[in-house]
Amino acid sequence: AQKITQTQPGMFVQEKEAVTLDCTYDTSDPSYGLFWYKQPSSGEMIFLIYQGSYDQQNATEGRYSLNFQKARKSANLVISASQLGDSAMYFCATVWGYQKVTFGTGTKLQVIP
Amino acid sequence: DSGVTQTPKHLITATGQRVTLRCSPRSGDLSVYWYQQSLDQGLQFLIQYYNGEERAKGNILERFSAQQFPDLHSELNLSSLELGDSALYFCASSEEGDSKDTQYFGPGTRLTVL
Repeated sequence: AQKITQTQPGMFVQEKEAVTLDCTYDTSDPSYGLFWYKQPSSGEMIFLIYQGSYDQQNATEGRYSLNFQKARKSANLVISASQLGDSAMYFCATVWGYQKVTFGTGTKLQVIP
Repeated sequence: DSGVTQTPKHLITATGQRVTLRCSPRSGDLSVYWYQQSLDQGLQFLIQYYNGEERAKGNILERFSAQQFPDLHSELNLSSLELGDSALYFCASSEEGDSKDTQYFGPGTRLTVL
């Protein structure tokens, strides 16, 4: 079975600083995808970034980058230049097989002015 | 706005009842997914449909069923409702339904069972 572990239930970061949210995964499938989603207090799930298991380069999307270390089975999300609007829950997810999806328990990020 | 729509936004019902949640995917997306988010279980994948056919099944209870119609909208039916079914139910859609596809989530339906 696939498993996603997010060990940080909550994190604080100063505005304009960078922050890393941890995610480790456990999968036996050689082909998989890793996603990060943001869930603000309003409840919607917002796609942030995707990394494929065969991708050679780490994914980047604006201020978001994914530090993908395949051998260590980690896919940490790095948010640069944090903004107040980044305060939210962040979920790491793995997608494998025909879109079977496993989500982590989430990390609550609070950006301090 | 992800382009995925869900109705209703909120639903309050009683134990033992049956409800139907509706989802319209983004234009052009063939695959629809259903998720349940509750405080104790977190985000759980329930089921996936691709172009009208069931493709993957997660932790979906037997009391729950879903279908995807020819126009690609989907419905999730929840029956014999229990207090523990109170949760936020998300629908998501993607283009082709393989592991490279980004899933775009709808705003969710908040179900409260009293």
